[in-house]
Amino acid sequence: GAGVSQSPSNKVTEKGKDVELRCDPISGHTALYWYRQSLGQGLEFLIYFQGNSAPDKSGLPSDRFSAERTGGSVSTLTIQRTQQEDSAVYLCASSSRGQGRTNEKLFFGSGTQLSVL
Amino acid sequence: RKEVEQDPGPFNVPEGATVAFNCTYSNSASQSFFWYRQDCRKEPKLLMSVYSSGNEDGRFTAQLNRASQYISLLIRDSKLSDSATYLCVVNYPGYSTLTFGKGTMLLVSP
Repeated sequence: GAGVSQSPSNKVTEKGKDVELRCDPISGHTALYWYRQSLGQGLEFLIYFQGNSAPDKSGLPSDRFSAERTGGSVSTLTIQRTQQEDSAVYLCASSSRGQGRTNEKLFFGSGTQLSVL
Repeated sequence: RKEVEQDPGPFNVPEGATVAFNCTYSNSASQSFFWYRQDCRKEPKLLMSVYSSGNEDGRFTAQLNRASQYISLLIRDSKLSDSATYLCVVNYPGYSTLTFGKGTMLLVSP
């Protein structure tokens, strides 16, 4: 596809369950980011992948959150033992440049709305 | 410290009005600046980059003031379709990702 694809678009889960969110970036984009956005709030950075380098995990809120990126393309964000405060929209973005370089432009997917009951 | 501050609004303006938003950033070494637009329940989309000399794209004008560490977005002849949240985005040297402000909400009414 031409854009960043995320799945599922909506996920409802019970507290304590694990969830996996998927992101398929734009083909050829080396940089991939995960953000989350709670209702009425700004974007909160979670994790960043750049090529084959070690990811920047500095934004992950707890050790229940992890992410991987296989083959430099598709990424999966995993949340273990979900809590109600994990409820948010999880947004994935990709870029051809990365690392906040001059004129870096992020292209976002439409997000996954996660609701933890 | 990396901060991007915006007035959350909402800014309520009638169609045809001119409206301006400012955004302040905390690191004078920042090099890249952007305005993104986010419609309700949608993902952010790049509106325009902000260049040192200022730049214009149709009804939208972006300016950078390095001395005072702020960027601005001016929208002329507002349309109903301009109603959205406008996110100020800045790069902070040494950090691997752009920093987003929490956004300014604009509501354009008939």
